[in-house]
Amino acid sequence: QKEVEQDPGPLSVPEGAIVSLNCTYSNSAFQYFMWYRQYSRKGPELLMYTYSSGNKEDGRFTAQVDKSSKYISLFIRDSQPSDSATYLCAMSVGGAQKLVFGQGTRLTINP
Amino acid sequence: AAGVIQSPRHLIKEKRETATLKCYPIPRHDTVYWYQQGPGQDPQFLISFYEKMQSDKGSIPDRFSAQQFSDYHSELNMSSLELGDSALYFCASSPTGEDTDTQYFGPGTRLTVL
Repeated sequence: QKEVEQDPGPLSVPEGAIVSLNCTYSNSAFQYFMWYRQYSRKGPELLMYTYSSGNKEDGRFTAQVDKSSKYISLFIRDSQPSDSATYLCAMSVGGAQKLVFGQGTRLTINP
Repeated sequence: AAGVIQSPRHLIKEKRETATLKCYPIPRHDTVYWYQQGPGQDPQFLISFYEKMQSDKGSIPDRFSAQQFSDYHSELNMSSLELGDSALYFCASSPTGEDTDTQYFGPGTRLTVL
């Protein structure tokens, strides 16, 4: 079983919808949680980064962490066709250690 | 803003050949990480360096080696290439200080082994 589980999708929603992406993890040592966006054949782009339970908002994006349930989410409001990409959750134990990724969710926003 | 630079962007090699991938981190970032991403897979950690010393090692084959130089750039050397080494190879860098756990990825090198 992978340390980080993420539904690979694909997920297809209409433009303007609210998107919810989720990951669960098994390693309670994970302290830092990130969401990356990856367009086809490109490098992962850091979207959100948080290290505490609760919500963190940045524009149309909200990252949510629940350490007690070992569950993290990314919400995208007012989704745009340009948001179509693969979204990867990633985690680390801290101290500039390696990232452990989920499988990635492929998201398509339909105009 | 400056980003992580990787070269070459594409590389085609034959089986049993060698390849060298280069990574130039964001200025003032002193930690470099290498990841391998197979088709349809998530990135897998290979190795990392902090201040020119190896700081962590993941699932990196013995055929691969890497180092970080005095200017903080890093090179991944791959020998006796196998078909299964065909993948995207990403380099990431992170700064010291409170943001040390944020890793910024380069565009990747696509390696094809024939």
